[in-house]
Amino acid sequence: DGGITQSPKYLFRKEGQNVTLSCEQNLNHDAMYWYRQDPGQGLRLIYYSQIVNDFQKGDIAEGYSVSREKKESFPLTVTSAQKNPTAFYLCASSIGIDLTSRAYNEQFFGPGTRLTVL
Amino acid sequence: AQSVTQLGSHVSVSEGALVLLRCNYSSSVPPYLFWYVQYPNQGLQLLLKYTSAATLVKGINGFEAEFKKSETSFHLTKPSAHMRDAAEYFCAVRAGFSGGYNKLIFGAGTRLAVHP
Repeated sequence: DGGITQSPKYLFRKEGQNVTLSCEQNLNHDAMYWYRQDPGQGLRLIYYSQIVNDFQKGDIAEGYSVSREKKESFPLTVTSAQKNPTAFYLCASSIGIDLTSRAYNEQFFGPGTRLTVL
Repeated sequence: AQSVTQLGSHVSVSEGALVLLRCNYSSSVPPYLFWYVQYPNQGLQLLLKYTSAATLVKGINGFEAEFKKSETSFHLTKPSAHMRDAAEYFCAVRAGFSGGYNKLIFGAGTRLAVHP
């Protein structure tokens, strides 16, 4: 049963703490993404990775860090430098781009992690 | 630069009525367009996508969308709303190659309410 899993579903953080959100996929996808969702603002891209050991900053990377040591895993760390981390975090993956045809493949999303700062 | 505008943050319809959710895009390259649906406290699920084939795209759950290049629109419709259609809907456009070709730009979302 292929898909994307995120854990935990709910996470509470105290001021000044770093926390790590897990994202795992068994779809054999090359590309993975992290988004932040706030009410009324849609999804904003934090980081993305197109291959193992490589990742790029998205539009709101400040205060976040990622790693991509395995194809299946793309954990996101919310650091104490992120001043307003309370949000819903979504992980996604895609096959990526077909460099021959430049056909684009859709992104598949995990169920999300809701982070709340206490 | 690519962008997406969804007109109307909230739309309310009666059960059985037509659903119309509006999306206008801006893209410097031939667009790839997507509609996703999100139920409360869940991830996003792909409804349908336009990738330069047919301009009328049929998706899951009875939804369809029509790509109109002259109007730069990709509106989502469903002839008859069901209570289970109540959710938030997001339109998205692929970022152009200069912006990173594996990126999507999302609209702010439209929350659909369906009344008995």
